[in-house]
Amino acid sequence: DAGVTQSPTHLIKTRGQQVTLRCSPKSGHDTVSWYQQALGQGPQFIFQYYEEEERQRGNFPDRFSGHQFPNYSSELNVNALLLGDSALYLCASSLVGRNTEAFFGQGTRLTVV
Amino acid sequence: AQSVSQHNHHVILSEAASLELGCNYSYGGTVNLFWYVQYPGQHLQLLLKYFSGDPLVKGIKGFEAEFIKSKFSFNLRKPSVQWSDTAEYFCAVNARSSSNTGKLIFGQGTTLQVKP
Repeated sequence: DAGVTQSPTHLIKTRGQQVTLRCSPKSGHDTVSWYQQALGQGPQFIFQYYEEEERQRGNFPDRFSGHQFPNYSSELNVNALLLGDSALYLCASSLVGRNTEAFFGQGTRLTVV
Repeated sequence: AQSVSQHNHHVILSEAASLELGCNYSYGGTVNLFWYVQYPGQHLQLLLKYFSGDPLVKGIKGFEAEFIKSKFSFNLRKPSVQWSDTAEYFCAVNARSSSNTGKLIFGQGTTLQVKP
């Protein structure tokens, strides 16, 4: 049973560029959430996708956008990259419901230079 | 707004010492509570969770946590740590409401270093 997989594992981009990160949820899961983890900090919620729609959004600018596909996989897009966007981006999958636990991927380390 | 506070940023212990990591949250409603661990180079893994029932929950690798509702706390404990427990530990909560999406609010993490 595959867990949550993310690609790529590492990425270096230049300021102003755009980036797309990808996530495949754990088998059987229908909900994907994205988190940003800056160095030395806890993960911060970016947004969550369920039934191909953004269900909830954290305090992130519109430069951060996402998508969920019919097979439940998801993409995170960041436009006009800033140096401050350098972080570990985590994808978590879960089953919709009140009492549910999230399973995390290994993350994509994004460095903006 | 919900928030989670972890009291210890960096803890250094010798093997066999006892561990207690503090976690307090702020939220007026009912919550689900979690402790996640991140070993060096690995993904976040769930140590234990509390949804309801017995406030003393046991997790993997000998960890346990106690939910004290009156103190808004969910402290993590282990009687005797091992070198392999060296990792980053995160406390997290989500609101258990009708609009709950499972959004997790994390603390800033505690780095545990266990000396052999």
